[in-house]
Amino acid sequence: RKEVEQDPGPFNVPEGATVAFNCTYSNSASQSFFWYRQDCRKEPKLLMSVYSSGNEDGRFTAQLNRASQYISLLIRDSKLSDSATYLCVVNRAGSARQLTFGSGTQLTVLP
Amino acid sequence: DGGITQSPKYLFRKEGQNVTLSCEQNLNHDAMYWYRQDPGQGLRLIYYSQIVNDFQKGDIAEGYSVSREKKESFPLTVTSAQKNPTAFYLCATRTGTGVTGELFFGEGSRLTVL
Repeated sequence: RKEVEQDPGPFNVPEGATVAFNCTYSNSASQSFFWYRQDCRKEPKLLMSVYSSGNEDGRFTAQLNRASQYISLLIRDSKLSDSATYLCVVNRAGSARQLTFGSGTQLTVLP
Repeated sequence: DGGITQSPKYLFRKEGQNVTLSCEQNLNHDAMYWYRQDPGQGLRLIYYSQIVNDFQKGDIAEGYSVSREKKESFPLTVTSAQKNPTAFYLCATRTGTGVTGELFFGEGSRLTVL
C-alpha cells in the first residue's frame, strides 16, 4: 500500500461547481497534513495546512479524519483559476521532518 | 526578496556527465530538501538536510550526491550513475521543528539527458 494515495483524476467540472478530493494515508501516527497546489510545469505551492478540527480558507475547506486515515479538500464555487493539480502531503512514519507526497489529482474547471 | 533560487532552470546533459544543480535560500530555514518529479507523478525525496554539515538519504538517493557546507546552500549533483536522470528537480526548505512547518519550493530545474 502506498503511504499516500489520492483520488485518481482528472476531474473536469463546470465553473461554479463544488468538488471534493480525498487522500488516504497509511501511517496512523502521522501528525502533519497539507494540501499543495501545482500548476503545470511549476513548483508546488502551499494551499492549506490541515488541522484536526478542520479548517476553512475562503472557498476551500480541509478536513482530517484520523479514524479512517484520510484528509479531504472541498472547493466551493470553482473558478477557472482553480485548474491545477492538487497534492496531498503527509509526514512519513518514523520521521517528523520527511514529508511524503501523493501523486496528485488533476482538476480542470471548464467555462 | 526572500526566497529559494534554483539554477539553472533548464539543463541538457549528455549521458555519462555529472551535473550540479544549485539551490540557495535566504529564508534562514534550517531544513532543506531535494525532490524529483517525473511526468504525471508525485514528488519523491532524494536527500534532505536538517542542519549544516549533515544530510540524510531519501527514497531515491542512488546516483545523487549533496553537500551542506552553508546554511544557505544545498547543491545536488546528478552523477553518471543515475540511470534515468531526466526529470524536474525541486529544492525546498521547511519552517518549524518536529512535525510542524511547511515546505517552500524553488522554481525547479528541468534536466534533460540527450
